[in-house]
Amino acid sequence: DGGITQSPKYLFRKEGQNVTLSCEQNLNHDAMYWYRQDPGQGLRLIYYSQIVNDFQKGDIAEGYSVSREKKESFPLTVTSAQKNPTAFYLCASKGSGNYGYTFGSGTRLTVV
Amino acid sequence: GENVEQHPSTLSVQEGDSAVIKCTYSDSASNYFPWYKQELGKRPQLIIDIRSNVGEKKDQRIAVTLNKTAKHFSLHITETQPEDSAVYFCAAANNAGNMLTFGGGTRLMVKP
Repeated sequence: DGGITQSPKYLFRKEGQNVTLSCEQNLNHDAMYWYRQDPGQGLRLIYYSQIVNDFQKGDIAEGYSVSREKKESFPLTVTSAQKNPTAFYLCASKGSGNYGYTFGSGTRLTVV
Repeated sequence: GENVEQHPSTLSVQEGDSAVIKCTYSDSASNYFPWYKQELGKRPQLIIDIRSNVGEKKDQRIAVTLNKTAKHFSLHITETQPEDSAVYFCAAANNAGNMLTFGGGTRLMVKP
């Protein structure tokens, strides 16, 4: 996965449940990001973190939470407050001085 | 904040023809412009990027042009092949490069 791994690849959530999506990178990148992609749509920023123990809300943070306790890890929790969570979730990272993002392979979340 | 608009949203070309995708941005401080290709169900991958100190960059069949005065940049794909079929995203970032703003995407279909 080019140094950034997302798991699981597919995830099913029941109504009212919280679920956590994993994102791990071994690229020694400082910045990490979470995007949501709906079918046929673009990438919308949920949360981002530029350094350990710090993170910022993106454009659509409501119903989501994150943590950044380790440089390598940036898990995303989709809470029951997110009313329409079915989507493709992409994690990305970026190193200092390197402007390009590296994306993970994504997690497809479906509400059942 | 930055706003990136991308056109067209869908583009259909015959194999061997050229394809052009255009993006405009709003923040004159933006100086890094990457293009990503996303095949169906997969992660976006960087295919080419350009910084504001150059007006054009080429890599085999793909090229990107940048007009800083008009605040627009374009992706050109020549001699298109069926494997070029994908969704293409443009993006823009400021000097820090920590935050990419993405366009809405263009679905390119190359007909054999």
